[in-house]
Amino acid sequence: GAVVSQHPSRVICKSGTSVKIECRSLDFQATTMFWYRQFPKQSLMLMATSNEGSKATYEQGVEKDKFLINHASLTLSTLTVTSAHPEDSSFYICSASPLATSTDTQYFGPGTRLTVL
Amino acid sequence: AQSVTQLGSHVSVSEGALVLLRCNYSSSVPPYLFWYVQYPNQGLQLLLKYTTGATLVKGINGFEAEFKKSETSFHLTKPSAHMSDAAEYFCAVGKAAGNKLTFGGGTRVLVKP
Repeated sequence: GAVVSQHPSRVICKSGTSVKIECRSLDFQATTMFWYRQFPKQSLMLMATSNEGSKATYEQGVEKDKFLINHASLTLSTLTVTSAHPEDSSFYICSASPLATSTDTQYFGPGTRLTVL
Repeated sequence: AQSVTQLGSHVSVSEGALVLLRCNYSSSVPPYLFWYVQYPNQGLQLLLKYTTGATLVKGINGFEAEFKKSETSFHLTKPSAHMSDAAEYFCAVGKAAGNKLTFGGGTRVLVKP
């Protein structure tokens, strides 16, 4: 089946530093990947839609300069949290849809838990 | 805009009993509907989905859901709960294939022995 990986699975950083999270589709190509954020005991909130070869589309209220998204290839999207602060601590999850138009399922990565001290 | 409401943030069932998780949605276009399960500190795993066709959808682990357009519902059921069903369940709606999803608030299922 379609597999999406994320790296790292867990990261702890100091306030003010930047953290990069990778999302890879391992056995399929994805034109579009999505980045979600999940606070403890809450649902997933879409942050942005990452499109290969073009700029990401951010949801209302998400700072594009703080959450930098790069979709460099059909199998890799990265989310960089710049100048991280404790309030950015959260569980970040990516998802991807296979390129084939007949496919309507998003496959989710295992998530990255970010803790900012 | 699309939205999803999951009734009940917590559901407790006895092992072997029926599991019923409620999901209602709103969508301006024919919806694509999904149920995902999340185990602690893990990503989401697809249980089942409805796009078109048969309104009763069967998924993995014995779960099924029925799309009822008149009720704008997509409730998830399993006839007999197993201890391994203890997890968080999310209902989601999308507009089209590969489109972004809007998630409900989630329902945490506790299975009692």
